Amino acid sequence: DGGITQSPKYLFRKEGQNVTLSCEQNLNHDAMYWYRQDPGQGLRLIYYSQIVNDFQKGDIAEGYSVSREKKESFPLTVTSAQKNPTAFYLCASRTGGIGYTFGSGTRLTVV
Amino acid sequence: EDKVVQSPLSLVVHEGDTVTLNCSYEVTNFRSLLWYKQEKKAPTFLFMLTSSGIEKKSGRLSSILDKKELFSILNITATQTGDSAVYLCAVEGLEDYKLSFGAGTTVTVRA
Repeated sequence: DGGITQSPKYLFRKEGQNVTLSCEQNLNHDAMYWYRQDPGQGLRLIYYSQIVNDFQKGDIAEGYSVSREKKESFPLTVTSAQKNPTAFYLCASRTGGIGYTFGSGTRLTVV
Repeated sequence: EDKVVQSPLSLVVHEGDTVTLNCSYEVTNFRSLLWYKQEKKAPTFLFMLTSSGIEKKSGRLSSILDKKELFSILNITATQTGDSAVYLCAVEGLEDYKLSFGAGTTVTVRA
């Protein structure tokens, strides 16, 4: 079955550490997106990529980095520069047609 | 900056009631408006609206868009406990298909 796989589901990070969230899709979608969701708030765009080896900052890119070396993969690194990283992170992909396909998310907690 | 406002932020109803969720938006270059249902994890797609005045229906759910007044409503009739979720409204811009989300409306349906 085609879809988007995010891993891990839950992630704990110590302050000052970098962590990488995985996002893999087998839908052959060109565009991929990372969103952050905080309680009581909508999804906010962190980074997006329309094609391999190219990506753009979203509205809240500070403290995050991404890469797009393969069409299927769009990992997100939360760096120590991100001061408030505890949140729910959603990856999505899109190709023409209708809307987005979302992954099941990664819940990151700073301990 | 694109802006999407949903109301109410939350509501509690009893099974069988009808609910109406509102979404107003200010977007520079509008492509479409989308509704998603989110139950703890990945948002699931409900509707995509691009034209004013054309109601879209799926079972007990329906939605309509008013591009002149810049708003959309989502109706749920004969609510069931399974309708309990956060309902997200998002507007898709012409630039790179980016989505701007509202904060969501939390619907709780009591038996």
